[in-house]
Amino acid sequence: GAVVSQHPSRVICKSGTSVKIECRSLDFQATTMFWYRQFPKQSLMLMATSNEGSKATYEQGVEKDKFLINHASLTLSTLTVTSAHPEDSSFYICSARVDSGGAADTQYFGPGTRLTVL
Amino acid sequence: AQSVSQHNHHVILSEAASLELGCNYSYGGTVNLFWYVQYPGQHLQLLLKYFSGDPLVKGIKGFEAEFIKSKFSFNLRKPSVQWSDTAEYFCAVGPSGTYKYIFGTGTRLKVLA
Repeated sequence: GAVVSQHPSRVICKSGTSVKIECRSLDFQATTMFWYRQFPKQSLMLMATSNEGSKATYEQGVEKDKFLINHASLTLSTLTVTSAHPEDSSFYICSARVDSGGAADTQYFGPGTRLTVL
Repeated sequence: AQSVSQHNHHVILSEAASLELGCNYSYGGTVNLFWYVQYPGQHLQLLLKYFSGDPLVKGIKGFEAEFIKSKFSFNLRKPSVQWSDTAEYFCAVGPSGTYKYIFGTGTRLKVLA
C-alpha cells in the first residue's frame, strides 16, 4: 500500500527558532501533498496544498511566511515553522495524494509530528 | 460554507455490540466520501471510500458505510465490534473537482472487553 513517512516524530524547540518537518512518500510519487494541523481533541485542519515544482496554496488564515512549504521532488515535501512560538505547538500531519488520473484519488497520511515550542 | 458533522463525539460499547457512527455534510455538489481510523499512537488509515456507484461501501475490518444522498449522510457501521476497534474515527468529504478534504471532528470509540 501507499506509505507516507514524517520526520521527526517529535520535536521540542525554543521560542524564536525554526523547525523543519519532512514528509516523504515511500513507495509512490506524489505530485500533491497536503499539510494539516490537529489541535487536541479536534479535527484536522488543512493548512496548505503542496504541489511539486510550484508554490504551495495556503488556506485562509494560514500565514505563508510563517509556515514555509517546499515540494522539491515527487517524494518529498517540507514544512518549516519559522520563528516558532508556543501557540504553534501542535500536531502536524502530512498526506500525499495517489494520482490515479481522475476523481478516484485518495490521500494517504503520515504518522504526524508533535511540535512543542517552549 | 462546506462542513462535516460527526454528532457522536464519544461512544462506548461492549464487545459484540453493533456500531453506527453518523456523518453529515453540507455541500451542494458531487462529493467523494471517506472514513479514516486513527488507532492510539498511530497515523490515520483509510477504512473505506465512496466515489460513485453502489452507495453501500464495504471497507476493511468488517466496516461498511452507506451514502444517502438525500440526507447528505455517510454513516459508518459494523455489526459486531471488537476491543481492537477502539480508536478515533474521522469522516472526510472531498468535493469533486478538488483534492481537498474537509474533516469532521472525529468520534472516539471505546470498546469494552
